[in-house]
Amino acid sequence: GAVVSQHPSWVICKSGTSVKIECRSLDFQATTMFWYRQFPKQSLMLMATSNEGSKATYEQGVEKDKFLINHASLTLSTLTVTSAHPEDSSFYICSARDPGQGASKDNSPLHFGNGTRLTVT
Amino acid sequence: ILNVEQSPQSLHVQEGDSTNFTCSFPSSNFYALHWYRWETAKSPEALFVMTLNGDEKKKGRISATLNTKEGYSYLYIKGSQPEDSATYLCALSGGSGNTPLVFGKGTRLSVIA
Repeated sequence: GAVVSQHPSWVICKSGTSVKIECRSLDFQATTMFWYRQFPKQSLMLMATSNEGSKATYEQGVEKDKFLINHASLTLSTLTVTSAHPEDSSFYICSARDPGQGASKDNSPLHFGNGTRLTVT
Repeated sequence: ILNVEQSPQSLHVQEGDSTNFTCSFPSSNFYALHWYRWETAKSPEALFVMTLNGDEKKKGRISATLNTKEGYSYLYIKGSQPEDSATYLCALSGGSGNTPLVFGKGTRLSVIA
C-alpha cells in the first residue's frame, strides 16, 4: 500500500519552456504533498508544501512564480517549472504521508514518488 | 535550522561483512528520526521511524539505535548482501504533526560480491 506515482521519470527541455511534473497518490488520499529537489552531491531539500484546496507554502529562496504548484484533488499534486533555465536542472521528487498510517503524526513515514530528472538545455 | 549529518559519505564492503553508519543531529527539539533506503531508479523506502531515546528497531539484518540526548543514531547491517547496495538516508521531523522531513546527504553503500 501507500504508493505514490510520479511522472515523467525524466525530461529534457529547452531553455524558456515549461515542464509539468505530476504526483499521484494511488491508494490513499494526500491532503499534503511535500516537493523536494536534489542537486548533485547534496541532500534532498524541501522546496514547497502543497495543500489540497489551498495555496502552497514555499521555502525561502524558492520562487513561487517560477515553481507553480497545484493540488486540486486529494490524489494529485503538480509542479510546473515555468520558463526553465539550465540552473533548474535537478532531480525533483514528491512525497506524502498516508492517513491510514497516521498522516497527522511526525512519526509516520513519508511515501515517495520515483522522482523526475529534469535537464534544461 | 536543523542540520542532519551522515557519515561516512560512502563505503564499500565485502559480501558477508557487517557495517554501520552514523546520523548526527541537534539534540534539542527532537520529534522523530527516520531512516530510508534508496535504491537506484526506485523511490526511497522507509526502514524505521524512531522517537524514543534508547529506542532500538530491527528489520531482518538491518537494525537501528537512537540516542536523542547526544544527538545520534546508528544504522547497522549484519552480513551485508549485494542487494543491500543503496543510499541510506537519515531524516528528522521538523516539528510535530504532518511536517516535512529534513534530510542528511545519505551514506552510499556498495556491497561487493
